[in-house]
Amino acid sequence: DTEVTQTPKHLVMGMTNKKSLKCEQHMGHRAMYWYKQKAKKPPELMFVYSYEKLSINESVPSRFSPECPNSSLLNLHLHALQPEDSALYLCASSQEKFSAAFEAFFGQGTRLTVV
Amino acid sequence: QKEVEQDPGPLSVPEGAIVSLNCTYSNSAFQYFMWYRQYSRKGPELLMYTYSSGNKEDGRFTAQVDKSSKYISLFIRDSQPSDSATYLCATMGRGNNRLAFGKGNQVVVIP
Repeated sequence: DTEVTQTPKHLVMGMTNKKSLKCEQHMGHRAMYWYKQKAKKPPELMFVYSYEKLSINESVPSRFSPECPNSSLLNLHLHALQPEDSALYLCASSQEKFSAAFEAFFGQGTRLTVV
Repeated sequence: QKEVEQDPGPLSVPEGAIVSLNCTYSNSAFQYFMWYRQYSRKGPELLMYTYSSGNKEDGRFTAQVDKSSKYISLFIRDSQPSDSATYLCATMGRGNNRLAFGKGNQVVVIP
């Protein structure tokens, strides 16, 4: 199983809503990532979790709140988003070892629209 | 200066042509160089990677790294319509676990 599963695939939310994006992998990977991708742009790193601990936060606004409940799951809690936050949100995972870190497997993403 | 530069212009080629894509990078300490393929409305998938300099071939795909000029390339031989996608180069950024992506090239292979 080399899949990273993200739910939901599509999400429309109002600026006052609270929602969560979910990501799951069963490859035994200990590093998990959230990326944001705007149309025709490359993915931009938001957060990195390593062994369920937040290791990188790329100065992401607090309206995005990541959570790693266990080694297989990664959540992204959303609150009071702005229309400019509309994007494809990608989850990825990789082995923790540096030499294998480049083998990042991506999910299909959640396409988020903030209205 | 961005870590990875990739001219994002779209590329249309007839079926069977050779596709040539390239990127430049800024940090001479980078060791791992990757090419990701992303189909429309999908997440990126790792296509090929190389470590340090040299060539790597996998079927119709060849990845090259020239560390002296900080240049990375991807060649697709005998291109197929199914190769139509966006191709993103990437390399290891500052520290572990950070992929630095180029802007991506949208490739369209016309039957």
